[in-house]
Amino acid sequence: DVKVTQSSRYLVKRTGEKVFLECVQDMDHENMFWYRQDPGLGLRLIYFSYDVKMKEKGDIPEGYSVSREKKERFSLILESASTNQTSMYLCASCWGGTDTQYFGPGTRLTVL
Amino acid sequence: AQSVTQLDSQVPVFEEAPVELRCNYSSSVSVYLFWYVQYPNQGLQLLLKYLSGSTLVKGINGFEAEFNKSQTSFHLRKPSVHISDTAEYFCAVSEGYNNNDMRFGAGTRLTVKP
Repeated sequence: DVKVTQSSRYLVKRTGEKVFLECVQDMDHENMFWYRQDPGLGLRLIYFSYDVKMKEKGDIPEGYSVSREKKERFSLILESASTNQTSMYLCASCWGGTDTQYFGPGTRLTVL
Repeated sequence: AQSVTQLDSQVPVFEEAPVELRCNYSSSVSVYLFWYVQYPNQGLQLLLKYLSGSTLVKGINGFEAEFNKSQTSFHLRKPSVHISDTAEYFCAVSEGYNNNDMRFGAGTRLTVKP
């Protein structure tokens, strides 16, 4: 079975802190994604990576950056957390084309 | 760019009743369509997907969906629901050019009552 793991299920941070969210997949997938999920808005793509060290902005990249130094690991970075970044963050991975995306369990981040 | 509208934010039903969760999309080109389910405190998992071929797609847990190109719809159905089907359901559309073009709907929360 494909496994996508995220470093934390719940995280509480203070405004202005630097926050790292880690995602690891074990299926040698080329593509990895970071989404945020908010009630009534569904999932919105923050960043996408199609190879090591390669990234593309999604629909809402402002305030976020990403890092992919190894194929299996994709990190989301909040350089200076703000209260409007309180949300559920979901990582996903897949092979190419229209392949099914496999999701991690999510990290619920609260910024105080 | 493509977009998805899920017409109902919440759908309450009684156990063993049939259910339909509605999804409409907009796109100027051919699309690929997906339904994902999210159980409480879990990530999303694929229920079914339409890529091509038969417009009636069968998925896991007894769910099926029908692609209707003329009505730009991809409604999800189950003839008899169980308590364990209580979850949030997301419809998604992709134009298939690359992996970052998938767009998700806002979700429909299905609550199955005993």
